[in-house]
Amino acid sequence: DGGITQSPKYLFRKEGQNVTLSCEQNLNHDAMYWYRQDPGQGLRLIYYSQIVNDFQKGDIAEGYSVSREKKESFPLTVTSAQKNPTAFYLCASSIMAIGTDTQYFGPGTRLTVL
Amino acid sequence: SQQGEEDPQALSIQEGENATMNCSYKTSINNLQWYRQNSGRGLVHLILIRSNEREKHSGRLRVTLDTSKKSSSLLITASRAADTASYFCATDAETSGSRLTFGEGTQLTVNP
Repeated sequence: DGGITQSPKYLFRKEGQNVTLSCEQNLNHDAMYWYRQDPGQGLRLIYYSQIVNDFQKGDIAEGYSVSREKKESFPLTVTSAQKNPTAFYLCASSIMAIGTDTQYFGPGTRLTVL
Repeated sequence: SQQGEEDPQALSIQEGENATMNCSYKTSINNLQWYRQNSGRGLVHLILIRSNEREKHSGRLRVTLDTSKKSSSLLITASRAADTASYFCATDAETSGSRLTFGEGTQLTVNP
């Protein structure tokens, strides 16, 4: 059963805590992405990775960090430096990091800061 | 700022009617994609149209692209209640390094 999974579905965090969101894919895709979605808005790119051990900042990388140690995994850490982290986080993958590639999305993680 | 902007922000129609959503963008693009998002879920790819194409069909979906006006439209014919979702355009701008930039979406409600 191929696809992209995210866990957990819901996550609650106290202010000042770091939290890591999981993203795993078994599609054998080289490229992976993290987006943030706020209510009623579109997606904003946080980080993306075109290949293992390499990643690039997106438009809103401040307060976030990522790693890409394995092809199938691209975890996102929301650090205490992110001032307004409450949002819906979406992970995606594509065969390659080119604009003609379809992006396949996970089901998302909803993060709430208490 | 967002590369793509959808219009209208929200659209409510009856089952069987057609739904048209528009997307405008600012800079030259290589291609434009449309995605659908059910409430609280991930996005699903619908269709891609390249900058040298003017129209594309997929089932009940029809997409047009006018590069001179920097705009695209998505038409869903004979809508169904199951089409209720948010629809996003995503552009692959020539200057973006092949990253996709998503618009803010149109929320479509199809009433049974």
